[in-house]
Amino acid sequence: GAVVSQHPSRVICKSGTSVKIECRSLDFQATTMFWYRQFPKKSLMLMATSNEGSKATYEQGVEKDKFLINHASLTLSTLTVTSAHPEDSSFYICSARLGAGSIDEQFFGPGTRLTVL
Amino acid sequence: LAKTTQPISMDSYEGQEVNITCSHNNIATNDYITWYQQFPSQGPRFIIQGYKTKVTNEVASLFIPADRKSSTLSLPRVSLSDTAVYYCLVGDDYKLSFGAGTTVTVRA
Repeated sequence: GAVVSQHPSRVICKSGTSVKIECRSLDFQATTMFWYRQFPKKSLMLMATSNEGSKATYEQGVEKDKFLINHASLTLSTLTVTSAHPEDSSFYICSARLGAGSIDEQFFGPGTRLTVL
Repeated sequence: LAKTTQPISMDSYEGQEVNITCSHNNIATNDYITWYQQFPSQGPRFIIQGYKTKVTNEVASLFIPADRKSSTLSLPRVSLSDTAVYYCLVGDDYKLSFGAGTTVTVRA
């Protein structure tokens, strides 16, 4: 299947700093990417839908000014956690959609573990 | 998006067949049924997708009865490396909604 990468895989930062997470589709162009967060032993929660060249669509309860999403190209979406606090510590996972089609054309990245001290 | 219900956990032994049933009573006509696997600290991985009857690939089979109100993921001859969380998703578009999933533990 298609490959999606995330960078960094793990990041530790101090409270109040901003952290940028990159999501790349390595061998295909993704018009749509998605960002999820997952707390320990919990399921994935969709945060936002990232569309190339337009503003991201955020799910209810997700602060768009807190979680900045930029989808600058067909292979790259970035999530910036601004002024991070300990409660933002989580596992952030992106996925990329391969063109239009059925559900199985969505591929997930390996995730980024964020720890805010 | 249709709500799904799965068992929270299942235990098995190496070499056995594992069957996980997912209930989705409110499935819509256009909805597909998709299963993902997730290992700890990794992103989910697509396993199989179906609309009706039976679908089989190299890793699993998916059984869907005629009324489509449930589906069963069948993992043949599991090994220790199949220990993971398995998610059943139902929907007709690309926006995925993950339920709690089923934690499958395979023992030697």
